[in-house]
Amino acid sequence: EVQLVESGGGLVQPGGSLRLSCAASGFTFRSYDMHWVRQTTGNGLEWVSAIGTLGDPYYPDSVKGRFTISRENAKNSLYLQMNSLRVGDTAVYYCVRDGLTSGWHPWFDIWGQGTMVTVSS
Amino acid sequence: DIQMTQSPSSLSASVGDRVTITCRASQSISNYLNWYQQKPGKAPKLLISAASSLQRGVPSRFIGSGSGTDFSLTISSLQPEDFATYYCQQSYSSPPWAFGQGTKVEIK
Repeated sequence: EVQLVESGGGLVQPGGSLRLSCAASGFTFRSYDMHWVRQTTGNGLEWVSAIGTLGDPYYPDSVKGRFTISRENAKNSLYLQMNSLRVGDTAVYYCVRDGLTSGWHPWFDIWGQGTMVTVSS
Repeated sequence: DIQMTQSPSSLSASVGDRVTITCRASQSISNYLNWYQQKPGKAPKLLISAASSLQRGVPSRFIGSGSGTDFSLTISSLQPEDFATYYCQQSYSSPPWAFGQGTKVEIK
């Protein structure tokens, strides 16, 4: 079964850090671009970061310089290091697979169950 | 950045109704448009990619169309399990890859 399982969410104070992990199974992880997408209450879905099969990262301006995406193909794992967290980063964070195996026109075909990140004092 | 605008933000419909949700891009995105369904407490599910390609296992009552800036998702005969929130997402060229704000389909 193709599966993504996130972990590492929790409560953190503004300015703090958190590292999310995603364990992939049931597919050849190294062959797929991977993403993080978050969902805030009332604000819908927001793409947060992407990493290519060769480790090339991409970020929107809202998290650039604060978040770092990485992957460890030998462990079928994806990570998101989040620093300088803000109240506005509070959301459910989803680990997501890009279903398109060539080129950067992603469609998100496999989603994890999500992990909640709450930034609050 | 490309912005995605969905309409309506919510709608009420009955089982058996034909329902259409629209999604407009702030610039042309060719056919790089995907649709997702999300039920409460669950992750989104990919329904349609590349504007009109139905994902495996998705019922044929879901129909995607459009190109350029204007797209639509039609549910030809609404079923009880279709009551959910639907999102469009553009995947044209470079990031960020934006989502629409969502359309909630509720029972009338």
